[in-house]
Amino acid sequence: KQEVTQIPAALSVPEGENLVLNCSFTDSAIYNLQWFRQDPGKGLTSLLLIQSSQREQTSGRLNASLDKSSGRSTLYIAASQPGDSATYLCAVSMDSNYQLIWGAGTKLIIKP
Amino acid sequence: DGGITQSPKYLFRKEGQNVTLSCEQNLNHDAMYWYRQDPGQGLRLIYYSQIVNDFQKGDIAEGYSVSREKKESFPLTVTSAQKNPTAFYLCASSETGGAYEQYFGPGTRLTVT
Repeated sequence: KQEVTQIPAALSVPEGENLVLNCSFTDSAIYNLQWFRQDPGKGLTSLLLIQSSQREQTSGRLNASLDKSSGRSTLYIAASQPGDSATYLCAVSMDSNYQLIWGAGTKLIIKP
Repeated sequence: DGGITQSPKYLFRKEGQNVTLSCEQNLNHDAMYWYRQDPGQGLRLIYYSQIVNDFQKGDIAEGYSVSREKKESFPLTVTSAQKNPTAFYLCASSETGGAYEQYFGPGTRLTVT
């Protein structure tokens, strides 16, 4: 059974730092992996979607990488800003119609 | 503006009452989903629908019911049989299957006392 883990559960860094959030999964036969952002008490916003054949995706200051063989994905945030403070969740899908399997998220706080 | 709306934002009910949460989308998406989110846990799938008049149970369907009579609407009823209904409920939609990018509504926080 696929399990998705995000460690640490919380992270606090000073503004301006580059940082990496981690997502690991137990079954490497994924179809794709998605990263989402959630602000307190709000819905989720899709950040990046990486297909299983891709190694990385970039959007602005965000870069997500995927290493299927090791069961890992990282979300790199460059030059962090207080507005990046949120919970970041990753989710994997096992095939095109399969439902998403979610990690519990990493709560990120960027200190001004 | 295309998107997903959920109403109400906050909902309070007494134990033993059924309650229906609304979810509407104007993205012309075929698939819609209901998730439950509890503190410190990942999202858990309650029900999903890939086409009108069809839906499937997710991981935690017991005590919940849904309908999909229209493409744009996917209401969730939390019944009195749900043992621990207090949670944050999120609705989402995607073009087809769950592997495609999902778009989320703002959520409904349900408190049952």
